[in-house]
Amino acid sequence: ETGVTQSPTHLIKTRGQQVTLRCSSQSGHNTVSWYQQALGQGPQFIFQYYREEENGRGNFPPRFSGLQFPNYSSELNVNALELDDSALYLCASSFDRSNEKLFFGSGTQLSVL
Amino acid sequence: AQSVSQHNHHVILSEAASLELGCNYSYGGTVNLFWYVQYPGQHLQLLLKYFSGDPLVKGIKGFEAEFIKSKFSFNLRKPSVQWSDTAEYFCAVNARIGGFKTIFGAGTRLFVKA
Repeated sequence: ETGVTQSPTHLIKTRGQQVTLRCSSQSGHNTVSWYQQALGQGPQFIFQYYREEENGRGNFPPRFSGLQFPNYSSELNVNALELDDSALYLCASSFDRSNEKLFFGSGTQLSVL
Repeated sequence: AQSVSQHNHHVILSEAASLELGCNYSYGGTVNLFWYVQYPGQHLQLLLKYFSGDPLVKGIKGFEAEFIKSKFSFNLRKPSVQWSDTAEYFCAVNARIGGFKTIFGAGTRLFVKA
């Protein structure tokens, strides 16, 4: 176990809807990164939060947004869902923003119909 | 843009065979390099990492990787694989480009026949 928990484990939405995914970081970690992993591909970096501020972003549109809370838990929000957003969403926490070691959760499987 | 390429998507080996998985990255600045592994039914976990110093790094379970800066490569090796090494292996690069980013390759699925 990594100490990183994600909820929900599975989710089904329809196109155009909005979704919020949640992540609880490992104790003592102040940095969280979110990834999208499509079937058969590697994790694609969405963004990273460090002490409640976004400090790195991948090539994802603005409808992908996030929050990190004072207790370092985190949310990923996706608006106006598209079919291609169907994927496994992974949260990873680390001790600091250098990401010397990422601790991954088991992910949320999102299906958009 | 920063990217990571893994040469093999699927590898099948017999037990005791030697393993080498290729990884190349495209970024000219200072990078930190990683191999992560995902065993069936488990989370992604760190196998080994290179930050600085000796370019030959050793990780868990007998794995090692060599950083060759001139080739932008960080290949993973193991002299003799075991059935329990069956997993998916991801190469990753971390750099500070407009913020901190850890970028992963597409992964290599390794199946070791007993």
